[in-house]
Amino acid sequence: AQTVTQSQPEMSVQEAETVTLSCTYDTSESNYYLFWYKQPPSRQMILVIRQEAYKQQNATENRFSVNFQKAAKSFSLKISDSQLGDTAMYFCAFMKYYNTGNQFYFGTGTSLTVIP
Amino acid sequence: DADVTQTPRNRITKTGKRIMLECSQTKGHDRMYWYRQDPGLGLRLIYYSFDVKDINKGEISDGYSVSRQAQAKFSLSLESAIPNQTALYFCATSDPDITDEQFFGPGTRLTVL
Repeated sequence: AQTVTQSQPEMSVQEAETVTLSCTYDTSESNYYLFWYKQPPSRQMILVIRQEAYKQQNATENRFSVNFQKAAKSFSLKISDSQLGDTAMYFCAFMKYYNTGNQFYFGTGTSLTVIP
Repeated sequence: DADVTQTPRNRITKTGKRIMLECSQTKGHDRMYWYRQDPGLGLRLIYYSFDVKDINKGEISDGYSVSRQAQAKFSLSLESAIPNQTALYFCATSDPDITDEQFFGPGTRLTVL
């Protein structure tokens, strides 16, 4: 079974500063996908960034970037120039393909608070 | 209009009652999922369906059943609700031919007294 671990239940960061959220996963697969989802107080799940395991280059989306270390099975999210709207729960997710389709596994989440 | 909708958004019910949560999508995706979210546990997969004729159990299917009435509709039922089914429930869709992303509904907060 795949497991996804987020070891930081809560974090805080000053507005405009940089913060890194950690995620590790356990799998024997070589081809898979990794995601970070954001859940603001509205509780809507929003995709932040995705990374294909076969790509060595780290994904970036504006102020969001990842540090993907495949050998270490680590997938951290860096948020630069933090904004108040970044306050949310962040979930790391792992996806693999089966013969019949795909399946997602989520971490337990990190609650991020951006302090004015 | 939202691509993935869930009804109701909030529901309070009593132990032993039958409850149905509904999910509709206008994205045209074949794949639909039901998750529950509990504090400290993240999202856990209850059931998933890769097309109208395909239903699969997820990690925590006990106490739940589903119905895929059409490509656009996927309902989750609690036949006899119990208090530990109090949680936030999410429906999601995906289309792997376009992207691997899952698109989530707004969630249903269910409280079982």
